[in-house]
Amino acid sequence: GEDVEQSLFLSVREGDSSVINCTYTDSSSTYLYWYKQEPGAGLQLLTYIFSNMDMKQDQRLTVLLNKKDKHLSLRIADTQTGDSAIYFCADVGPQKYNFNKFYFGSGTKLNVKP
Amino acid sequence: GAGVSQSPSNKVTEKGKDVELRCDPISGHTALYWYRQRLGQGLEFLIYFQGNSAPDKSGLPSDRFSAERTGESVSTLTIQRTQQEDSAVYLCASSLRSGGADTQYFGPGTRLTVL
Repeated sequence: GEDVEQSLFLSVREGDSSVINCTYTDSSSTYLYWYKQEPGAGLQLLTYIFSNMDMKQDQRLTVLLNKKDKHLSLRIADTQTGDSAIYFCADVGPQKYNFNKFYFGSGTKLNVKP
Repeated sequence: GAGVSQSPSNKVTEKGKDVELRCDPISGHTALYWYRQRLGQGLEFLIYFQGNSAPDKSGLPSDRFSAERTGESVSTLTIQRTQQEDSAVYLCASSLRSGGADTQYFGPGTRLTVL
């Protein structure tokens, strides 16, 4: 099946940029997502990108997609302590039973130091 | 509804007991998903419903796991004869439709601890 890999931890200082990386194996992926999980909460959708795009910007968030290398990154500009959370990358697999299965990475825990 | 809700938020049970976890999706969402998240790990897909039909049950870890959905509303995930390895957070998500990788909205999860 599809494999989605992320580094487990990232620590940055408040005000710096954070870059969270993700690699995936399915070359037929059509969508890739970033979700944020705060302690004790469910996953909150941050942004997503279509596979025919290289970049998507949404306020402080920039998503970069290198389809050739199957590499996705999420850059958070001016990182704040409120950004401390676990960030999950998700790859959407090919449709089966009229359903696109999401494959999630193990999550990157972002720690923002004041 | 405002969002996906799940109950209970926490469940502690003894090994061998049965548990039922409940998910209330966003009103109007036809698709519903169950995931399992073990401590420090990513999400493991369990089962998906389109309406009250579950075409793909291949993610259920064993025959002790089953799930039902009433129409396009509430779903219950049942784990029979719980084992310690079932301890995890069980997350439910719903989406407007299932095709086209429609965005999934997640509930807060049920934390299950099997002693």
